[in-house]
Amino acid sequence: LAKTTQPISMDSYEGQEVNITCSHNNIATNDYITWYQQFPSQGPRFIIQGYKTKVTNEVASLFIPADRKSSTLSLPRVSLSDTAVYYCLAWGGSYIPTFGRGTSLIVHP
Amino acid sequence: GAGVSQSPSNKVTEKGKDVELRCDPISGHTALYWYRQSLGQGLEFLIYFQGNSAPDKSGLPSDRFSAERTGGSVSTLTIQRTQQEDSAVYLCASSHTSGGGNEQFFGPGTRLTVL
Repeated sequence: LAKTTQPISMDSYEGQEVNITCSHNNIATNDYITWYQQFPSQGPRFIIQGYKTKVTNEVASLFIPADRKSSTLSLPRVSLSDTAVYYCLAWGGSYIPTFGRGTSLIVHP
Repeated sequence: GAGVSQSPSNKVTEKGKDVELRCDPISGHTALYWYRQSLGQGLEFLIYFQGNSAPDKSGLPSDRFSAERTGGSVSTLTIQRTQQEDSAVYLCASSHTSGGGNEQFFGPGTRLTVL
């Protein structure tokens, strides 16, 4: 199984860029890296997914270095509503999804 | 369209009782996943289905846990002889098919409290 490690918590302020890094040392060569967002009392929600280099959508960017042993979720200009727990997901070359422990992001006014 | 639904939303039971948790996936999604999320913890994978088959049951915590899926749609997670440590939120997710690269759509979860 893949093993993912990410910071337990982060703090930021409105309007700042936030970068959350996840390490996944034993990711398989054909694995995607996916990030989810979870608000209290809700199920996680898909944010972004990538395989290599950089992926950008309307809410975030995902940076994956060439060795693919880590990935960084970048949230531009965060607002209070971005306060949530963010999970990275790797599959470890199997059909078993391994979520990280999650990073609790708190955005301050 | 309708998302993933789970029922009940909350379940309070006494230690030793059996409980059944239900998941209705998005129509047409062949893969279905069950996770457990204890208070303040991450998502613990329990089991997944591809169609009606569960290729890997190694994530189930003990033999008191079982799951089935019928008709390639609804799934039921059953916990027998519940213990207090079973208290958690049980999340279900579905995707077009199994494996990486397929976005998982999560339900709101069932909060289970074992007294």
